[in-house]
Amino acid sequence: KAGVTQTPRYLIKTRGQQVTLSCSPISGHRSVSWYQQTPGQGLQFLFEYFSETQRNKGNFPGRFSGRQFSNSRSEMNVSTLELGDSALYLCASSLGGTTSQETQYFGPGTRLLVL
Amino acid sequence: DQQVKQNSPSLSVQEGRISILNCDYTNSMFDYFLWYKKYPAEGPTFLISISSIKDKNEDGRFTVFLNKSAKHLSLHIVPSQPGDSAVYFCAASVTNAGKSTFGDGTTLTVKP
Repeated sequence: KAGVTQTPRYLIKTRGQQVTLSCSPISGHRSVSWYQQTPGQGLQFLFEYFSETQRNKGNFPGRFSGRQFSNSRSEMNVSTLELGDSALYLCASSLGGTTSQETQYFGPGTRLLVL
Repeated sequence: DQQVKQNSPSLSVQEGRISILNCDYTNSMFDYFLWYKKYPAEGPTFLISISSIKDKNEDGRFTVFLNKSAKHLSLHIVPSQPGDSAVYFCAASVTNAGKSTFGDGTTLTVKP
């Protein structure tokens, strides 16, 4: 079974631009979560999508948004990029059932550098 | 308010010895706990988990212990191998809540 894939793997942008990152979950997984990891920091939760609906949201500004498609693929968008947005963005998928204790499986991440 | 804390940023052990990584949490609603391992330039990989109805779960060289009264869990790696050198993240979740809360990670270095 193919794992979680993320594209692109690396990205360089300048301040003020916007960026869209893509995530394809493991086949059959309906939940997709996004995390931000900055140097020396843990994984900060951005949001989670399940069945095309945002189910959970972390404490990030509205510049960070996402969506999920009917095939469970998800995109994350960051508008008006700031230098502090430079980070590794990780996508994780899980089955997303309502009765399960979820184990998330991570993609390799997209490393974003904002200049 | 950080709900999941890994108070040791780094740990160094000799090959063949035991590695013990610790994690504390504050939210008593957490009922499922996981450990992930992360190599540089890769996403975290799932290692082992434990439900709050248990106090121990073992998988090969890896054992996770949960002390609910102390809100503390630990990961034991025995024997430690150089290939275990990585960042280890502790995570906690509430069943049906759909997301995990992660600690800041502990960098484990296993010396040959």
